Amino acid sequence: QVQLQESGPGLVKPSETLSLTCTVSGGSISSYYWSWIRQPPGKGLEWIGYIYYSGSTNYNPSLKSRVTISVDTSKNQFSLKLSSVTAADTAVYYCARDMMVVTPSHYYYYGMDVWGQGTTVTVSS
Amino acid sequence: QSVLTQPPSASGTPGQRVTISCSGSSSNIGSNTVNWYQQLPGTAPKLLIYRNNQRPSGVPDRFSGSKSGTSASLAISGLQSEDEADYYCAAWDDSLNGPVFGGGTKLTVL
Repeated sequence: QVQLQESGPGLVKPSETLSLTCTVSGGSISSYYWSWIRQPPGKGLEWIGYIYYSGSTNYNPSLKSRVTISVDTSKNQFSLKLSSVTAADTAVYYCARDMMVVTPSHYYYYGMDVWGQGTTVTVSS
Repeated sequence: QSVLTQPPSASGTPGQRVTISCSGSSSNIGSNTVNWYQQLPGTAPKLLIYRNNQRPSGVPDRFSGSKSGTSASLAISGLQSEDEADYYCAAWDDSLNGPVFGGGTKLTVL
């Protein structure tokens, strides 16, 4: 049974960089796509970006200039960095496994089948 | 503002059948499959339906999904109190090259 666990600071100061790590246990990070998603208080879900175990990434255009997602296959972990944070970045941050098949002509996306429990990040001085 | 449109709320009594709609466009629902998530209070979302109408192992067959054109629906039959949750639709968006979500529907069991 694959499990995901987010970790990182719960409080980040405005203008600084938010850094979170997702640890994959009970299975390998290889051969899958992995996403970060966030949920501001009382609001809906927003996809931040995904990474393939090989290191290829894709980010939500609304956050692309501030987001970096990386992977460490030796540790079975992937990470999120979000720079220049403001109060609008306060949210619960989730990591998740994507069920996705990519061909040269199309992405076949079947949802996120495994989620971490989420970690609350507050941006405040 | 979410890319996919859902009603903010829905309700029903125990045993009833309720449906939740999700509207999108040609770049998402119109050309890709739809997924549904259930988020119980204070917990992470859980994949409820994938590929429009497929249930992951362990999801009761009271939950069903359908898609037509640029819209999709989630139906819950035999409503139970434990179904009270937020429900989100999602689909791949060809313009974004990533998944997009609906704003969520809060289901209340009266």
